[in-house]
Amino acid sequence: QQPVQSPQAVILREGEDAVINCSSSKALYSVHWYRQKHGEAPVFLMILLKGGEQKGHDKISASFNEKKQQSSLYLTASQLSYSGTYFCGTEAGYDKIIFGKGTRLHILP
Amino acid sequence: EPEVTQTPSHQVTQMGQEVILRCVPISNHLYFYWYRQILGQKVEFLVSFYNNEISEKSEIFDDQFSVERPDGSNFTLKIRSTKLEDSAMYFCASSGDRQPYEQYFGPGTRLTVT
Repeated sequence: QQPVQSPQAVILREGEDAVINCSSSKALYSVHWYRQKHGEAPVFLMILLKGGEQKGHDKISASFNEKKQQSSLYLTASQLSYSGTYFCGTEAGYDKIIFGKGTRLHILP
Repeated sequence: EPEVTQTPSHQVTQMGQEVILRCVPISNHLYFYWYRQILGQKVEFLVSFYNNEISEKSEIFDDQFSVERPDGSNFTLKIRSTKLEDSAMYFCASSGDRQPYEQYFGPGTRLTVT
């Protein structure tokens, strides 16, 4: 049930792009994306509800491919503030979210 | 901007003792959650709570755990007899009254069981 995230870790230089993938062996009804900085709480980024949906704000966007049971998070022209661990979560019940193990993103100046 | 608050920020307890972790969700939210995160690991769902009852719980949430909304603002997690493996960061979250349930997390309580 737990979604699988890849890669496990990414190191980028400021200004570079990154893609984080989230996939599930079960049908996905929605995908939640959160970012957690070290020692802090997870912060909500976005939810995608239906296949083909794309969302974004600032330079962070995401897509949801319902048929492939996967979602991707795109970070373009990364900034130092993007560093942290990104979690995707999938709904496994009425209001139960199961998170993946996370992708650690480290941005170098 | 409204936010979820949690107290205490850090709790140290001895094995076998009872602890109560407290949360004040965002005031107009109706759904409440507890998660835990063992150091360096993923965020794990414990329980969700709506309309004064548990709506979902995970395998982790056994008889040692209980939740309560004792009044109109607080939401508590009680661990009756703590074990060493209960040491973790515990996050409370809340969400509004319509899907999708965007969950907003509190800053967490670090529980250390010795």
